[in-house]
Amino acid sequence: DAKTTQPTSMDCAEGRAANLPCNHSTISGNEYVYWYRQIHSQGPQYIIHGLKNNETNEMASLIITEDRKSSTLILPHATLRDTAVYYCIVRRNSGNTPLVFGKGTRLSVIA
Amino acid sequence: NAGVTQTPKFQVLKTGQSMTLQCAQDMNHEYMSWYRQDPGMGLKLIYYSVGAGITDQGEVPNGYNVSRSTTEDFPLRLLSAAPSQTSVYFCASRRTSGGARSRTGELFFGEGSRLTVL
Repeated sequence: DAKTTQPTSMDCAEGRAANLPCNHSTISGNEYVYWYRQIHSQGPQYIIHGLKNNETNEMASLIITEDRKSSTLILPHATLRDTAVYYCIVRRNSGNTPLVFGKGTRLSVIA
Repeated sequence: NAGVTQTPKFQVLKTGQSMTLQCAQDMNHEYMSWYRQDPGMGLKLIYYSVGAGITDQGEVPNGYNVSRSTTEDFPLRLLSAAPSQTSVYFCASRRTSGGARSRTGELFFGEGSRLTVL
């Protein structure tokens, strides 16, 4: 699976949009971009995934560039509860392919 | 529907002891996996299984053993505990079947088992 690069940490003011970037310049055509987050010491939580089109759900939006070499996770109105480590993962959408986590971005939402 | 259940939640071992971390899921997921997370670090994949009777090594399998005799259960055995195995262990499961837009990448995690090896 392709490697990803994320900033180590970011801050965001409460109520503002949090934009978390991810670089995956070696992504293959059959690889999806997945985002997870881990709040404090809990198990990670799935947020969203996409292949090439932008995706939106109740938690976030995922914007993937046309060349698919980078993506941005958007939390439209960040709250203090969104403070967490956010992981960007690239993997084939095959049932047998494991998820390998990198170091992620530590997002701090500030009041 | 309890999801993914891990036991015990906390455990203290002495160096050289062995133990088994239990993981059970009630979602009929084919895929199950174990991760460890050292303090301040990301998750590392230890072992995974795509179905009963099938297991594969992940990134850091040394010092551990697994088996998958049923769909529901995926125990992780520490063969001879070492202080370097002090960590939080997470079990996770997901579906393996579905179309291209299915959420087969959506892992469901347990609450974690916190292990200290003295």
